[in-house]
Amino acid sequence: DQQVKQNSPSLSVQEGRISILNCDYTNSMFDYFLWYKKYPAEGPTFLISISSIKDKNEDGRFTVFLNKSAKHLSLHIVPSQPGDSAVYFCAASAPGAGSYQLTFGKGTKLSVIP
Amino acid sequence: KAGVTQTPRYLIKTRGQQVTLSCSPISGHRSVSWYQQTPGQGLQFLFEYFSETQRNKGNFPGRFSGRQFSNSRSEMNVSTLELGDSALYLCASSPGGPQGGYTFGSGTRLTVV
Repeated sequence: DQQVKQNSPSLSVQEGRISILNCDYTNSMFDYFLWYKKYPAEGPTFLISISSIKDKNEDGRFTVFLNKSAKHLSLHIVPSQPGDSAVYFCAASAPGAGSYQLTFGKGTKLSVIP
Repeated sequence: KAGVTQTPRYLIKTRGQQVTLSCSPISGHRSVSWYQQTPGQGLQFLFEYFSETQRNKGNFPGRFSGRQFSNSRSEMNVSTLELGDSALYLCASSPGGPQGGYTFGSGTRLTVV
């Protein structure tokens, strides 16, 4: 039972254009969401997060949107750069004891083409 | 400041053996979590420790265990290794939990043959 789903295993985008990575979740208890980026042979690197009390959070070129009613979040990268090519993971946590663990999606491999 | 250090980086073991992996968190971080990454399942939560106490455990068999020492360093142990245990094992540290931000190490690549 996958509680966090990233339905697109891969995505290719031209340099300078917008990259949109999507994530859906099924557990209505999730109240905090994070995006991580992972290069081969390295651990995931935190990118940006959002609390369920917000619907948008921006950090430079990265913006995360949260639609609680649809149980959907998305990561927008504008403009996309070749260095953004990596696997992106969406993760979520629930309050209480669930806040001590992250539930991850299976990742989307982003390729930014120069 | 130093990041999360995991040792060893690579390990090859035989079925039936046991293995111990080590994680040194960022200085001052008291929460250490472990995750297993496999191509088919993605990253899956194993367990989390805070001040030497396990606060949460994922859905893994009892062959997977861990502990945390008073200096916040953590070890995880896998006994009676199976081929399916081959994976990248990632450790993450945090001041206190996900909302404090988890910083991951580079992982230990375990291959069971």
